[in-house]
Amino acid sequence: EVQLVESGGGLVQPGGALRLSCAASGFTFSSYEMNWVRQAQGKGLEWVSFISGSGSVIHYADSVKGRFTISRDNAKNSLFLQMNSLRAEDTAIYYCTRDWNDHWGQGTLVLVSS
Amino acid sequence: DIQMTQSPSSLSASVGDRVTITCQASQDIKIYLNWYQQKPGKAPKLLIYDASNLKVGVPSRFSGSGSGTEFTFTISSLQPEDIATYYCQQYDNLPPQGTFGQGTRLDIK
Repeated sequence: EVQLVESGGGLVQPGGALRLSCAASGFTFSSYEMNWVRQAQGKGLEWVSFISGSGSVIHYADSVKGRFTISRDNAKNSLFLQMNSLRAEDTAIYYCTRDWNDHWGQGTLVLVSS
Repeated sequence: DIQMTQSPSSLSASVGDRVTITCQASQDIKIYLNWYQQKPGKAPKLLIYDASNLKVGVPSRFSGSGSGTEFTFTISSLQPEDIATYYCQQYDNLPPQGTFGQGTRLDIK
């Protein structure tokens, strides 16, 4: 069974940093592209970032480009999102997804507030 | 960047009704479109991939059609458990990006 479990969310002050993790199991992690998708409370879904199976291709939404960094460790079946220079508008539930979203984690909440 | 326009933003229908949601892309996305269902407090679930393919385990009352810039999602006979918000999403690999529609909130009349 495919499982994606996010962690690392929490309360951070504006300008601060957080690192999200996603532990994957139930499939050959290195064979799949992965994405981060976020959702502010009461709002729609927003694609955040993409990484290829090898990690060689990476892309970001304009709203996070230059502040967020996606990475993966295929030996540890893990996906990461390093978030720097956080803003209030980054407050959201962050979901880890496999491929183009055929499986989703339960999400982790990031709250940016002073 | 590709923009997705989804309509309507909300919809009320009766049990047994046929329900249709549309999504329009700002440029040709061929068939690279998914449809998702999200219930309150839950992560979204993929229902339809590549515009018209039903994910294994998804009830056959759900269907999708279209290509290019115009896409349609249909529930053939609305059931109470279908109350949710539905999203379309285009995905592109050159460069990789995945824009969502604004969502359609569906409830029972």
